[in-house]
Amino acid sequence: GENVEQHPSTLSVQEGDSAVIKCTYSDSASNYFPWYKQELGKGPQLIIDIRSNVGEKKDQRIAVTLNKTAKHFSLHITETQPEDSAVYFCAATEEGADGLTFGKGTHLIIQP
Amino acid sequence: GAVVSQHPSRVICKSGTSVKIECRSLDFQATTMFWYRQFPKQSLMLMATSNEGSKATYEQGVEKDKFLINHASLTLSTLTVTSAHPEDSSFYICSAPHVRAGGGYTFGSGTRLTVV
Repeated sequence: GENVEQHPSTLSVQEGDSAVIKCTYSDSASNYFPWYKQELGKGPQLIIDIRSNVGEKKDQRIAVTLNKTAKHFSLHITETQPEDSAVYFCAATEEGADGLTFGKGTHLIIQP
Repeated sequence: GAVVSQHPSRVICKSGTSVKIECRSLDFQATTMFWYRQFPKQSLMLMATSNEGSKATYEQGVEKDKFLINHASLTLSTLTVTSAHPEDSSFYICSAPHVRAGGGYTFGSGTRLTVV
């Protein structure tokens, strides 16, 4: 089955700086890589996703890059704001066929 | 669009009793529903996959007789935790893939189960 590793487990950055979270996956059949933000007591909210036919995707301050050869993908948040503080999870799957395999999560702390 | 409604959001039950969690797809047909469990400060772990009209498939280590899953229609999947024990206390979340522009997976808002 799929195995997803996520680093770092905790990331503290100054407000306005950039944050980068990295994930690796093991199953070459995986073709869908979403990123979720989870606030305490709530379900995960999709913030961006990427499929294996593209290498990069951007949505305002958030971007995701994918390297299929190396089997890793990264989340980039620029101009961080206090409301970006949360736990972020990466995930991977063969879309539609399987459920998602999640990384262990990154607690992002934005220091004012 | 593509909303999954999950109820209840919180439930407290006594040891030995059963609890049912419902997930409904409100504006699309969910032929498949994934059920996850999340312990405090941990990641989401896939427990089982339900498919409308057929038996659920369970991940290794998940007791199928304890976590009963029913997918009675294209818009409703239920998870029943039977004979609950304190170690079953967790956050349970459902998710459905949706085949439409954008694709992806929609998550319910989760159920916080506390067994006392």
